Amino acid sequence: DAMVIQNPRYQVTQFGKPVTLSCSQTLNHNVMYWYQQKSSQAPKLLFHYYDKDFNNEADTPDNFQSRRPNTSFCFLDIRSPGLGDAAMYLCATSRRARVSNEKLFFGSGTQLSVL
Amino acid sequence: KQEVTQIPAALSVPEGENLVLNCSFTDSAIYNLQWFRQDPGKGLTSLLLIQSSQREQTSGRLNASLDKSSGRSTLYIAASQPGDSATYLCAPQMNRDDKIIFGKGTRLHILP
Repeated sequence: DAMVIQNPRYQVTQFGKPVTLSCSQTLNHNVMYWYQQKSSQAPKLLFHYYDKDFNNEADTPDNFQSRRPNTSFCFLDIRSPGLGDAAMYLCATSRRARVSNEKLFFGSGTQLSVL
Repeated sequence: KQEVTQIPAALSVPEGENLVLNCSFTDSAIYNLQWFRQDPGKGLTSLLLIQSSQREQTSGRLNASLDKSSGRSTLYIAASQPGDSATYLCAPQMNRDDKIIFGKGTRLHILP
């Protein structure tokens, strides 16, 4: 089945040790999003891509970076994770931008723990 | 800045009851509004999408309405079942920048 796949499902890292989360999609969607969700909170948009066009949220810390080498893959790099970065990280895709009827498709998320 | 509020934050009802979840948003310049379901520790699944020109959408036992001018949406669940237990989030998509902004959700528990 076509889907959005996030690896790993659970990631444990040490304080300050760089970590990379990955997302792949078989939907051939143009738009990819990364959200951070802390317990009982709303998902918070970190950044998104229209194709290769990168859009960073103003309040996303510099510690968070992203790469999209091709349509199918997108990576979230956390350069120096702090305890406050422990959260669920959600990748999502949509087929097109700037239209009113495109649903958002989510992966299962990566739960990041920082020790 | 778009603010999305969902009321109630949590709800427990006996199986079989009909229920309504509420969502309000401050900026009505939206393309659409989606309702999502999230099971504990999982990603989100889109349940219904209402375009800004529409008033409601239905899928099975679910019906979502949208009143864009007043900044409100509701999700109606008919004949609730224990399998409906989950967190339900609403998310309008903004016209000006395509961002999809989420509410904190309503945690729903259906009692068998």
